Amino acid sequence: AQSVSQHNHHVILSEAASLELGCNYSYGGTVNLFWYVQYPGQHLQLLLKYFSGDPLVKGIKGFEAEFIKSKFSFNLRKPSVQWSDTAEYFCAVNARQAGTALIFGKGTTLSVSS
Amino acid sequence: DAGVIQSPRHEVTEMGQEVTLRCKPISGHDYLFWYRQTMMRGLELLIYFNNNVPIDDSGMPEDRFSAKMPNASFSTLKIQPSEPRDSAVYFCASRASGRYNEQFFGPGTRLTVL
Repeated sequence: AQSVSQHNHHVILSEAASLELGCNYSYGGTVNLFWYVQYPGQHLQLLLKYFSGDPLVKGIKGFEAEFIKSKFSFNLRKPSVQWSDTAEYFCAVNARQAGTALIFGKGTTLSVSS
Repeated sequence: DAGVIQSPRHEVTEMGQEVTLRCKPISGHDYLFWYRQTMMRGLELLIYFNNNVPIDDSGMPEDRFSAKMPNASFSTLKIQPSEPRDSAVYFCASRASGRYNEQFFGPGTRLTVL
């Protein structure tokens, strides 16, 4: 069965610090990978996605993620966080075949102090 | 497009009452997903539909939960009878068919069962 692990439950950073959130998945086949963000009191929004091609994908608001197939990882990064990045971040994966659902990690809460 | 629409946004009910949550997917999307989000378990997939047909309901916790999709623009998730442990945020999401499409989430329904 597919599973997604997010190693950090809660990350606390100061503004301008760099961010890296870990995500590992377990699935032997080809996958699509996603990072979603949930701002306080809001619904999930897509930050970025990887389907194929360049393993370094860029998303909205300066976020990027790198797919490392050999490590089954899809870590999220941002060189300089802002207070407005305070949110919960979810990594998700689905098998690249029609008709499959997303499996989410437990989420990482990011708190950025100004 | 208005995005995925869910109603109600908040629901407070007493144990034993029937609860019905509603979802309108994005027009043209033929996949619809119901998720439940709790602090303890994170985001869990409950059930998903393709072309109004339930494909995987293995995440539905027990017989008290049921979901229907009578047409392409409407789905319901019903809990009868409700219990305090059902308190959670319930999200609906939809996706267009194809291997490379992401899910779009609704704003969620925050359910509190007293």
